Formats: sequence, structure tokens, C-alpha cells
Amino acid sequence: DSGVTQTPKHLITATGQRVTLRCSPRSGDLSVYWYQQSLDQGLQFLIQYYNGEERAKGNILERFSAQQFPDLHSELNLSSLELGDSALYFCASSASTDSYEQYFGPGTRLTVT
Amino acid sequence: GIQVEQSPPDLILQEGANSTLRCNFSDSVNNLQWFHQNPWGQLINLFYIPSGTKQNGRLSATTVATERYSLLYISSSQTTDSGVYFCAVDYRFGNEKLTFGTGTRLTIIP
Repeated sequence: DSGVTQTPKHLITATGQRVTLRCSPRSGDLSVYWYQQSLDQGLQFLIQYYNGEERAKGNILERFSAQQFPDLHSELNLSSLELGDSALYFCASSASTDSYEQYFGPGTRLTVT
Repeated sequence: GIQVEQSPPDLILQEGANSTLRCNFSDSVNNLQWFHQNPWGQLINLFYIPSGTKQNGRLSATTVATERYSLLYISSSQTTDSGVYFCAVDYRFGNEKLTFGTGTRLTIIP
């Protein structure tokens, strides 16, 4: 168990809908990262938050957004969903101070039908 | 951006065999991690090894940062070792995002 929790584990929804994925980092970790794993693109970085502020952006679509709350949990919002958004979405956390090792949550498997 | 290549892409071994997985990267890195993705999709941390050698039970890893490669050794393979092994690096002059290789799919046959 990495100490990173994600909910829900599975999500099935229709095209055009909006969903929210939730992540709680390891106790004490200030950075939260979101990654997407799809069959055709592999594992790709989406976005990073550090202590409530956006720190880095990767290949994140404009239909996707994220935020990190004062208690350091994070949410990834996916809107106007398309079939191609079906993927495994991982959250990871790190201390980002004395250590940059990232610990991954169990993932949320999103299926868009 | 930084390129990460893993080899071999697929490996099928008999239980009890040893294996070596390789990760080459194209530039200087701050961080290098090895992960095992099990058949249920979970990404399990194996090593945080930007340089040097580490061992954990039957697994060990070596990173030679100056030559831009890392090796993961698995000895006395067990069926539970099956899955996909990923190498991921954090580019030294970028942010902290991890760039993943395409993985090595390991299948251990009883």
C-alpha cells in the first residue's frame, strides 16, 4: 500500500458527460501529480500541484482541469468526455522537498461509452 | 523532451530463471524510478535510484547516470513477478514530472 488513495476505482459514463476523480496524497506529501495511462499513448503526465498551486502542466486537454485543496487532496475534472478519454488515471504524490520519489495510487479506471 | 527506451519489450521465462531489464535515457536526470505494474493495474514502487546500486530481496537495480542507463535484475523469478516493468525519469532541467518508458512485459511460466 503506497498510502495514496484514489476514488472511485471504476467509473463508467457516457460521451459528453463530466466526471470528477479524487486523490488523497500520502501524509505529509505536498505535491500531487496526475497521469493518464491509455493503450495508445502509454503513461503520460497531465499536471502537478504543489501545496495548492499549479506547478507544472503536461499533455492535459483543455476539457480537463484539476485543483488541490487546503487539506492537500486533489480532484481531476474531466468534461465533455469522448471515447478516447477511456483510460486508467493515476494520482501520485511526493514530498518534493528532501525526496522526489513519487508514490502512485491504485488508479481510477474510466470507461466512456 | 527526454527519451526513455526500455528493452526487451517482451520477456518470457521459466520460473526460477534470472533476468536483466534495461532502461536507456537521452539526457541528464534528477530522478529515476522502477515500477512493477501488476495484472490488476497497480503501479508498485520498486526502486528510487538516480544513481548507484540498490538491492531489495531478489531484485536489484543499478543506474550509471554518466552513461545514461539503468538495469533492473530479477533473480529466481516467481510467477508473481509477471507484469509490466516501467522505468521512469525526471529530466534534470525540467520540472518533476516523470517520463515513462514503454515498459518490458515479463511473463513467468510455472
